[in-house]
Amino acid sequence: AQSVSQHNHHVILSEAASLELGCNYSYGGTVNLFWYVQYPGQHLQLLLKYFSGDPLVKGIKGFEAEFIKSKFSFNLRKPSVQWSDTAEYFCAVGGNNDMRFGAGTRLTVKP
Amino acid sequence: KAGVTQTPRYLIKTRGQQVTLSCSPISGHRSVSWYQQTPGQGLQFLFEYFSETQRNKGNFPGRFSGRQFSNSRSEMNVSTLELGDSALYLCASSFRDGRNEQFFGPGTRLTVL
Repeated sequence: AQSVSQHNHHVILSEAASLELGCNYSYGGTVNLFWYVQYPGQHLQLLLKYFSGDPLVKGIKGFEAEFIKSKFSFNLRKPSVQWSDTAEYFCAVGGNNDMRFGAGTRLTVKP
Repeated sequence: KAGVTQTPRYLIKTRGQQVTLSCSPISGHRSVSWYQQTPGQGLQFLFEYFSETQRNKGNFPGRFSGRQFSNSRSEMNVSTLELGDSALYLCASSFRDGRNEQFFGPGTRLTVL
């Protein structure tokens, strides 16, 4: 069965700090990989996605993620966070006609 | 295009009752997935429907069921409600299938007393 692990439950950073959120998955087949973000009071929305090709993918708002197949990882990064990045971030794996999500990482950015 | 809509937005029920939640996907999307979101658990996959067929089901008891209509609208039903069913229930639609980019609705907040 697919499973997704996010290593950090709550991350607190100051503005301009660098961000890396870990995500590992378990699945025995071809997968699509995603990061979604949920800003306070808003719907879940797509941050970035990886289907194939260049393992370094860029998303909205300066976020990027790197797929490392050998480590079954898809970590999210941002060089310099802003207060407006305060949100909950979910890693997701699309496999056998469904999508499985990690437990989420709450990011708090202090101004 | 209008986004995914869910009704009702809020529900309060008591233990033992049943509830039906509704989801209208984005026009042209044929895949609808349902998730249960609770603090600390993230999103737990309930089921995915495509062209009126349930193609995949998560690890939830049989009290949780769903269906999809010919216009792709979907409903989920929870019977014999328990306190632990209190959660935000999210619906998401996708153009191709449940493993591709999904567009989420605002959710239905269910409180079981």
